[in-house]
Parts: sequence; C-alpha cells; structure tokens
Amino acid sequence: SQQGEEDPQALSIQEGENATMNCSYKTSINNLQWYRQNSGRGLVHLILIRSNEREKHSGRLRVTLDTSKKSSSLLITASRAADTASYFCATDATGTASKLTFGTGTRLQVTL
Amino acid sequence: GAVVSQHPSWVICKSGTSVKIECRSLDFQATTMFWYRQFPKQSLMLMATSNEGSKATYEQGVEKDKFLINHASLTLSTLTVTSAHPEDSSFYICSARLPPGTSGRAASYNEQFFGPGTRLTVL
Repeated sequence: SQQGEEDPQALSIQEGENATMNCSYKTSINNLQWYRQNSGRGLVHLILIRSNEREKHSGRLRVTLDTSKKSSSLLITASRAADTASYFCATDATGTASKLTFGTGTRLQVTL
Repeated sequence: GAVVSQHPSWVICKSGTSVKIECRSLDFQATTMFWYRQFPKQSLMLMATSNEGSKATYEQGVEKDKFLINHASLTLSTLTVTSAHPEDSSFYICSARLPPGTSGRAASYNEQFFGPGTRLTVL
C-alpha cells in the first residue's frame, strides 16, 4: 500500500496546549496537504505545502516538510475544544495525475 | 467559491438494491472528480477517478461493475452502488478539481475540493 502513516493515531490534550501530528509517506511528491474531518463529516482543507517548501504557517497552524525524510508535521498552537477532530495528511505524488493518497489519520481530542 | 455538494447526505437501503449518489460542483466546472470511501475510524481510500465524457479509471481492487460511475456533465458525477450488501456500508466522499488552464493558485496546485460525504447503510 502507498498509504502514508500518521502518528500518533490518537492524541488527547488540554485546551491551550500545542498539538503535533506527524505524517510519513513513501513516494516523491508534488505537494502535501493537511485536512481536518469532524466526526461523520466531510473534509476541510487546512493547508498545502509544496515539495520545494520547508515550512508554512496559517493562523495557529504550522506545517513542516522534509522531503529527504519523506515526512511532514502539523502543529496546532494554543488548541481549542473546537479543534477536536481527525486530521489527515494527503500526498499528491508525482506521476499520479494528481490523485491524493491519504494518511491513516490522527484523532485529536482537546478537553477543557 | 469551489463548493462541492453531495446528495443524499445519508441513505439506508435493503440488501440487493442499488443506490445512486450524486456529486455536484456548484460554482465551477470539473472535468475530473474523484470518489473515495471511508470505513469508520479509518482513512479515505480512493475508489476511482471520474472524467467528464469518458470512462472512469478505477483503483486496483475496486469492482467497476459494482460501483458504476457516470460523469455526464462538467458539474455532475454519479456513483451507483449496484446490488448493495452490508459490507458496502461506508461513508462515500467525492472531490472535484478545477479544469486545466484555470488561473489561480488552487488550479496550479491541483487542489481538490471535497463534498460533505454520503453515509450509506445497507441492511
């Protein structure tokens, strides 16, 4: 399977703490994207990082990409209860006609 | 902009019946749409790529006669689960991509826009 791996599988933190999720993948990529999914809902696109970028910020989100290690991380700072969701990385691999391959996901629980 | 809808949002059917799920791009034309399925607490798995005016391309292990895909217009793709069985119960999600030549960042990065999903339960 070409599916990426994410860790941790589950993460429970208190409001105000930072949450870090990691994603590893197997192939060369054009870009890597992070999505959020609330339980039973569709996907919300969070951030896209290109293969020639190393770090990107969007609000409380910080994404890093290390193509030599084929890994990425998503940091959510000052977490809120509303951040409770599953988070998936997805890779747009080179030569795949822009098909996305999703990671296994991290279930984040933010408690008050 | 770039909104994708799905209909129905949920459906319950009896084993052996067929179910059609629609995926629409509301404010843009999508020459390419993608269909995914997601089992509880698992990730999304790509089932097929739907191309307007041509046959869909199925991923390995996905039965094309079981999951019929029709992309008859630039704003609509349908997935029909034929002779559904309980093991077909899943969350089905579609996505759409802006057509080639569209200006803007989303198109240049081949960004996909996802529908809200359809929960299928087969009894």
